[in-house]
Amino acid sequence: DVKVTQSSRYLVKRTGEKVFLECVQDMDHENMFWYRQDPGLGLRLIYFSYDVKMKEKGDIPEGYSVSREKKERFSLILESASTNQTSMYLCASSPRGGTNEKLFFGSGTQLSVL
Amino acid sequence: QKEVEQNSGPLSVPEGAIASLNCTYSDRGSQSFFWYRQYSGKSPELIMSIYSNGDKEDGRFTAQLNKASQYVSLLIRDSQPSDSATYLCAVKALSNFGNEKLTFGTGTRLTIIP
Repeated sequence: DVKVTQSSRYLVKRTGEKVFLECVQDMDHENMFWYRQDPGLGLRLIYFSYDVKMKEKGDIPEGYSVSREKKERFSLILESASTNQTSMYLCASSPRGGTNEKLFFGSGTQLSVL
Repeated sequence: QKEVEQNSGPLSVPEGAIASLNCTYSDRGSQSFFWYRQYSGKSPELIMSIYSNGDKEDGRFTAQLNKASQYVSLLIRDSQPSDSATYLCAVKALSNFGNEKLTFGTGTRLTIIP
């Protein structure tokens, strides 16, 4: 089974802190995604990566950056955390193209910024 | 206008009845459509994908697609309490740089009443 592992289930940070959310997948998938999920707003795409060192902005990239130095690892960085970044963060991966377009999600990181 | 729209619910359906979930999308060029199920406190999981106009059946689930009306639906027959969850409609689109990304609706919360 594909496994997508997010480093923390719960995280509490202070306003202004630099925050790293880590995601690792073990199925050699090319594509990796970071979403945030908020009540009433659904899943919104922050950034995604389609190859090592390649990244593209999603729908709400402001205040975030990402890093993908190795194929299996995709990191989300909050440069200076703010209270409006309190949210559930979900990482996902998928193989590129073909008929297998299933997204495999991690278990999520609930981030609280105080 | 949101790219993918769903009625947020909650939708309550008696056990054994048919649950009908609806979704509309704005990008007329979209070709791939998905339904994800998300239990409370869990990550989304893929339950159906559909690519061609018409119906696609998988057990108690039927996905329906009408590209002319830009409309996707999910029918759940013989609803069970275990079907109580939030159902997310997702549409695959191309980014400005031609890379594939998945855009989600806000989800419909379904409750099956025993």
